[in-house]
Amino acid sequence: AQSVSQHNHHVILSEAASLELGCNYSYGGTVNLFWYVQYPGQHLQLLLKYFSGDPLVKGIKGFEAEFIKSKFSFNLRKPSVQWSDTAEYFCAVFRGTDKLIFGTGTRLQVFP
Amino acid sequence: SAVISQKPSRDICQRGTSLTIQCQVDSQVTMMFWYRQQPGQSLTLIATANQGSEATYESGFVIDKFPISRPNLTFSTLTVSNMSPEDSSIYLCSVLPSGTTQYGYTFGSGTRLTVV
Repeated sequence: AQSVSQHNHHVILSEAASLELGCNYSYGGTVNLFWYVQYPGQHLQLLLKYFSGDPLVKGIKGFEAEFIKSKFSFNLRKPSVQWSDTAEYFCAVFRGTDKLIFGTGTRLQVFP
Repeated sequence: SAVISQKPSRDICQRGTSLTIQCQVDSQVTMMFWYRQQPGQSLTLIATANQGSEATYESGFVIDKFPISRPNLTFSTLTVSNMSPEDSSIYLCSVLPSGTTQYGYTFGSGTRLTVV
């Protein structure tokens, strides 16, 4: 079945550690890719997005993601995390049928 | 981007009753989406609501259980009918500003529903 997979369900890091969260999708054809973040008690916010062009996308708060078409992946990275990055991170895929499909989410905990 | 107001923000309901959730957008949008986020899980699309037509439901969701209204381009409601504890979730309204994914989807703050 077509899906969006996030392999890391729960990640625990210390401040200043590097972060990489995996996202894979199984849809063929053209897709738009998103990463959303949900801070504790807050609503979903768009972190970054990819539509076309440079496969390395930079978002807010120092996050970036790389689209690798051959691997159907859109991994999220940050070179040095902060305590304030503690949140739930969701990868999402827009398939061109006006539906945004979410991955299972990754809970990130950053300790000082 | 669009600003979404969703009400109520939370509620505790008795099983067998119904709850209607409201979603108000500060601009006109063609499509509105309703998602469910069950405890510890990701977001699942319930249905897509277009103004002037019946909502389109995803597999596993039916109109009798989740009736949706879309009376105009800025407002929609989702009703959770005949509730059971399994309906305890966060329900979110989402829109696609300007009808394009260029700016991403905008989400409401959600309605946290607990059924006892």
